[in-house]
Amino acid sequence: GIQVEQSPPDLILQEGANSTLRCNFSDSVNNLQWFHQNPWGQLINLFYIPSGTKQNGRLSATTVATERYSLLYISSSQTTDSGVYFCAVEEWGGKLIFGQGTELSVKP
Amino acid sequence: GAGVSQSPRYKVTKRGQDVALRCDPISGHVSLYWYRQALGQGPEFLTYFNYEAQQDKSGLPNDRFSAERPEGSISTLTIQRTEQRDSAMYRCASSLVQNEQFFGPGTRLTVL
Repeated sequence: GIQVEQSPPDLILQEGANSTLRCNFSDSVNNLQWFHQNPWGQLINLFYIPSGTKQNGRLSATTVATERYSLLYISSSQTTDSGVYFCAVEEWGGKLIFGQGTELSVKP
Repeated sequence: GAGVSQSPRYKVTKRGQDVALRCDPISGHVSLYWYRQALGQGPEFLTYFNYEAQQDKSGLPNDRFSAERPEGSISTLTIQRTEQRDSAMYRCASSLVQNEQFFGPGTRLTVL
């Protein structure tokens, strides 16, 4: 099956700093989603991005499907950005394969 | 409510008991997915439905796990004869066909 690897596994930032999270996947995929799991355990949709670049406020994402990776950019980080960020790729048929996540901690 | 809902939010049971977890998808969403998430890990696929038809159950760990969606809306995931290793967060998601998936809050299952 498809392998999904996220890096870094952990990240500590000072409030206001920028960061880039990476997701590599081992095979062609139908689609790709980025999620934020907040400290209360809720999975929040960030981006649905099979290819190209999207932006939403301080967050943006780029997927280069031909090279099998996606990047999530967080600018001017805030303490509320803390949590775990998951990348998930969609196999043909619809099921999502998740990476192990990047745990982000933003310090005030 | 416009989102995916799940009940109960927390379930504590004794080993050997059966449990039923419920998922109510977003109205109009054809596809419904079940995932299981262990602490510190990403969610892992269990099974999914399009309407009432179970399309893929390859992720169900053994025959103690079953799922149904009889009317193409609400779904129930049943675990029979629970074991301690079944303790996890059980998550449900829904989507239009092969489209962005939206997750519910999950059911935290603890088997004592």
